[in-house]
Amino acid sequence: KQEVTQIPAALSVPEGENLVLNCSFTDSAIYNLQWFRQDPGKGLTSLLLIQSSQREQTSGRLNASLDKSSGRSTLYIAASQPGDSATYLCAVAPGGTGGFKTIFGAGTRLFVKA
Amino acid sequence: DAGVTQSPTHLIKTRGQQVTLRCSPKSGHDTVSWYQQALGQGPQFIFQYYEEEERQRGNFPDRFSGHQFPNYSSELNVNALLLGDSALYLCASSFGRTGELFFGEGSRLTVL
Repeated sequence: KQEVTQIPAALSVPEGENLVLNCSFTDSAIYNLQWFRQDPGKGLTSLLLIQSSQREQTSGRLNASLDKSSGRSTLYIAASQPGDSATYLCAVAPGGTGGFKTIFGAGTRLFVKA
Repeated sequence: DAGVTQSPTHLIKTRGQQVTLRCSPKSGHDTVSWYQQALGQGPQFIFQYYEEEERQRGNFPDRFSGHQFPNYSSELNVNALLLGDSALYLCASSFGRTGELFFGEGSRLTVL
């Protein structure tokens, strides 16, 4: 059974700091991994999608890596800004016989102080 | 290009009532998945619709049912509402069953 864990649960950093959010998953047979941002009471905004054959994806100040063998992904945010304050969620789409049920972590709540 | 749209945005029901939530997928998408998100938790998969059929289901009781229409839009129905059904209900669409997920803003359900 696939389980997704995100550490830390919450993080507070000063503006301008570079930071790393962690995501781990128990079953390496995945189809893809997706990072999302969620503002309070809102829906999820897709940030980056990494296919199982890829090692990383970049978009602006964001870089996500994937290591299937160790069951880990990281989201790197460069030069953080107060507008980056939100909850960040990672989600794993299972591969093989895992069906099509995307599994989410509980998220990391990020607060960037001005 | 319209993204995923959900309605209603907020609603309040009482225990035992029934509710229908609606979702229109992003243009070009053919698959709709529904999720329940409790406060402070990650979204939990309810079910996925593809080709107008429920293709996979999470650990939710039969009180939760759905439908997908020929235009790929979808409905989520919840019968005999319980207090514990209070949550944000999210719809996600994708092209194909394993494509990138795009979410709507959600429907906030409060059961009193």
